[in-house]
Amino acid sequence: DAGVIQSPRHEVTEMGQEVTLRCKPISGHNSLFWYRQTMMRGLELLIYFNNNVPIDDSGMPEDRFSAKMPNASFSTLKIQPSEPRDSAVYFCASRTSGRVYEQFFGPGTRLTVL
Amino acid sequence: AQTVTQSQPEMSVQEAETVTLSCTYDTSESDYYLFWYKQPPSRQMILVIRQEAYKQQNATENRFSVNFQKAAKSFSLKISDSQLGDAAMYFCAYRSVSLPDKLIFGTGTRLQVFP
Repeated sequence: DAGVIQSPRHEVTEMGQEVTLRCKPISGHNSLFWYRQTMMRGLELLIYFNNNVPIDDSGMPEDRFSAKMPNASFSTLKIQPSEPRDSAVYFCASRTSGRVYEQFFGPGTRLTVL
Repeated sequence: AQTVTQSQPEMSVQEAETVTLSCTYDTSESDYYLFWYKQPPSRQMILVIRQEAYKQQNATENRFSVNFQKAAKSFSLKISDSQLGDAAMYFCAYRSVSLPDKLIFGTGTRLQVFP
């Protein structure tokens, strides 16, 4: 299995621009998570989906952030408009169902907003 | 709310020696899971070891083992025979059984391994 796939691996953009991060979960996994990692706040859960449905988006920092999961094999995290304080590493993770379930993380996208 | 605390921002160890990373957590629940994740410079988050709270026996994975003290809410990671490839950030994480989709992470410990 290829694992969780994220693209791009690095993104540099200017303040005010729209940014779209992409994630392909592991095939057969029915839950998907978006995290943000910064030096100041560590790893924070932004939003997660079960069976393509958003379950908890309480971690999404502002209305500028939105996430979608149109099907079981694809999700996007969009920031519009982007700001310098959005600079971070964004991780996508997926898992399957069951009591003993672990999340498998993608390699992350390093976002720099100038 | 549950919290996870890693009080050691940085640790160092000599190759082949043993090192212990500390983690404490706060919860009112009795059933939960605890994890240690490794994040090398590649940024990939890799699961190192998992402990189920209802199990008395400490989890072990090759050179990695935990000391799980449920009453003290402590969950330390011991790395034996340290290798250069063990150098990374290590994160302790908590997951409730009742809210299984939320992983709560500590702030991490950076481990350096010296030859």
